[in-house]
Formats: sequence, structure tokens, C-alpha cells
Amino acid sequence: KNEVEQSPQNLTAQEGEFITINCSYSVGISALHWLQQHPGGGIVSLFMLSSGKKKHGRLIATINIQEKHSSLHITASHPRDSAVYICAVIIPYGGSQGNLIFGKGTKLSVKP
Amino acid sequence: NAGVTQTPKFRVLKTGQSMTLLCAQDMNHEYMYWYRQDPGMGLRLIHYSVGEGTTAKGEVPDGYNVSRLKKQNFLLGLESAAPSQTSVYFCASRNRDGYTFGSGTRLTVV
Repeated sequence: KNEVEQSPQNLTAQEGEFITINCSYSVGISALHWLQQHPGGGIVSLFMLSSGKKKHGRLIATINIQEKHSSLHITASHPRDSAVYICAVIIPYGGSQGNLIFGKGTKLSVKP
Repeated sequence: NAGVTQTPKFRVLKTGQSMTLLCAQDMNHEYMYWYRQDPGMGLRLIHYSVGEGTTAKGEVPDGYNVSRLKKQNFLLGLESAAPSQTSVYFCASRNRDGYTFGSGTRLTVV
């Protein structure tokens, strides 16, 4: 059983649409990262959050610790948002000292 | 701001060859990590370090060795490359504000 589950796995949207990507996890965490990876590119951290909500430009991330769920929203989507979005949780204890456990990613394609 | 720099970006190795991947960070982070990314799987931890002179095994350490002789550098070595080690390798460093990733090294073992 995967400890971090993302949905959907693939998402195609039209430019301008509001997009939501979901992440559910089954372990106790200290925080959660939303990461972005463009095709053939590196990994960029969009947000790290441990409670509530964060906003950066057109991106909004929320987390509900009690329900073990986080969402990433993109408003007014644009083709340049096309990328893989990865949810990763930070495990607070254990030998790996705050290691990340990653979801498998959501591949987003925004059509013009 | 350089952040986390990985070298090389691409490499093709023959089975049995050895190589070292270099990760350098200029943010004075204590924690550094090596991950591999394979199609259909999430990133998996190979080795990590919690400070200069320390290393520890992650989820998939077999076939790899690491060293952290200087705080800013974390080296990943393949002593005898195998086709199963064909992957994209990412280095990351961490402080209390979160993780910073390098741009990746695409390694092909033929």
C-alpha cells in the first residue's frame, strides 16, 4: 500500500480552467511539500506546509492534518503550468531524519 | 543563487564501469540526500547525510556508496555500474524551511 496517494494520475485541462490535485497520506507527518517537475527538468519546491493554506501567485495549497489530506489548486491555468506535480510528506521521526516519502505524481497538461 | 548543483547532467556508462556524481550546495544545509527517479515510481532514497562526515543508507542503497567529506558536497559513487542503475538521480538538501533539489543527472548504463 502506498503511503502517499495522489489523484488524478493524469489531468488534461483547457487554458483558464481551475485545477485541483489531491494528495492523501497514511502516515504521521511534520510537513508536506508540493513539488513541480517540468519534462526533462529538475524538481522545484512550490510549497512546504504543515497546516492551513498557502498562496503563491496562481497557486494555492491547503492541508488538513486531521484528515491527512492536501490539495494543490491552480487558478486561471496556463500551458506553462504543464508539468508533473508531486506531493511529498516529511516523516518526523526515524532513522532517515525527516526523509521525504513521495507520491507518484500527477501529470498535468494544459491545452491552449 | 546556485542552490544545489549536480554534475554531470548526463552520462552514459558501460556495464561494470565506475563513476561519481557530485552534489554541491551553497546554503550551509546540514542534511543532504540522494534519490533516484524511475518511470512509474516515486522518488526513492538511496543514501543520506545528516552532517559533514556522516552517511546512512536509505531505501535502495545497494550498488551505491556515498561520502560527505565537506559539508557542502555529497558524492554518490557507482563502483560497478549495472543496467538496473539506469535512472535519473536527484540530490537534495534540507533545512527547517524545506527541501531544495538539484536539476538531476540522467544516467544510462548500457
